[in-house]
Amino acid sequence: SQTIHQWPATLVQPVGSPLSLECTVEGTSNPNLYWYRQAAGRGLQLLFYSVGIGQISSEVPQNLSASRPQDRQFILSSKKLLLSDSGFYLCAWSGSGGGSTYEQYFGPGTRLTVT
Amino acid sequence: AQSVTQPDIHITVSEGASLELRCNYSYGATPYLFWYVQSPGQGLQLLLKYFSGDTLVQGIKGFEAEFKRSQSSFNLRKPSVHWSDAAEYFCAVVTGSGYNKLIFGAGTRLAVHP
Repeated sequence: SQTIHQWPATLVQPVGSPLSLECTVEGTSNPNLYWYRQAAGRGLQLLFYSVGIGQISSEVPQNLSASRPQDRQFILSSKKLLLSDSGFYLCAWSGSGGGSTYEQYFGPGTRLTVT
Repeated sequence: AQSVTQPDIHITVSEGASLELRCNYSYGATPYLFWYVQSPGQGLQLLLKYFSGDTLVQGIKGFEAEFKRSQSSFNLRKPSVHWSDAAEYFCAVVTGSGYNKLIFGAGTRLAVHP
């Protein structure tokens, strides 16, 4: 069966510091991968998605970037964090190709607090 | 553009009572629709999905949802709520972009009174 991991689970970082959040998927190949942010009391905002290694699409211009160095690894980064980057970051995967049934499966999330 | 509206931000029900969470979508073609649940501090878990066929779909944890094309709705129901159902519920629709992008509603927070 497929599983999705995110780490770290929680992170407290000062303003201006760098960020690296990691997401890995097991049990599937060539997944579509997604990064979402969920601010306190708000819905989900899609930040990035990827349909393959090195292929990243950005949904919202911002202080963040994403990379996909391996098929099942998705990384969210920032060079200098802002207070507004605080939130709950969720990684998700979905199947790709003609047999996809479109649903996304989410990881446990990373709680980021920028101080 | 596709959109999803969940009219109720907060709902409170008593344990054992029935539940209906509303979801309305805007999409030109036949939508692919989903309901997710999120417990505090957790990721989202897929409850059920609708692609085609029978308009009443069954999901996990005793939930069901009914697709009504004439009303552009996909409401989530449960006949008897348990205290463990307290969580936030999100309705979502696939955009049809080819990359499985989901559009989420703003969510409905469910509280359950004992």
